Amino acid sequence: ETGVTQSPTHLIKTRGQQVTLRCSSQSGHNTVSWYQQALGQGPQFIFQYYREEENGRGNFPPRFSGLQFPNYSSELNVNALELDDSALYLCASRPYRDTNYGYTFGSGTRLTVV
Amino acid sequence: AQSVTQLDSQVPVFEEAPVELRCNYSSSVSVYLFWYVQYPNQGLQLLLKYLSGSTLVESINGFEAEFNKSQTSFHLRKPSVHISDTAEYFCAVSSVWFGNEKLTFGTGTRLTIIP
Repeated sequence: ETGVTQSPTHLIKTRGQQVTLRCSSQSGHNTVSWYQQALGQGPQFIFQYYREEENGRGNFPPRFSGLQFPNYSSELNVNALELDDSALYLCASRPYRDTNYGYTFGSGTRLTVV
Repeated sequence: AQSVTQLDSQVPVFEEAPVELRCNYSSSVSVYLFWYVQYPNQGLQLLLKYLSGSTLVESINGFEAEFNKSQTSFHLRKPSVHISDTAEYFCAVSSVWFGNEKLTFGTGTRLTIIP
């Protein structure tokens, strides 16, 4: 197992710009979720992907979008960045129908919007 | 809808003393319960989970949590803490409905161990 790897670890963007965050999941982990963790808060569910399709979404606007690829990697895209988008973005993966609920989290990407 | 309340945002404890981190949840459906730990500048690590069966679950590093359905609680305890336990602890719930397994987290409890 190689764990969940996220890149980059830190990123600074300007308000209005677009950003792409990347996640590489463990082999066999075909379900990936993204979470936003604002400073001092718990993680908030953004969306989940399975077999390259979005199959669950939290209370986030459409400018938050994602992609999942057959090689267990995925992306989180955020358009028209706002200052409130500054947060730690976490990727979590697990096998589909994993009855042990073994979510594996990456170390996150810290995004700062200025 | 489901929600999680962690009643204490910060808990300072002397080394080797016991600690309890409180977690209450609200849900209209059956849930699974989790505790995650986050060390500085790191992601989340699963500490322990309750899926079914015995209501008392234990982790490998001495933490335990008890599921109390009547009180909708899942408090985390450790009889003797160490400096290395300093971290942020998050309680989370997940619906048992397949296809809706998103994790809903509390706002976290920062555990600080005092030497």
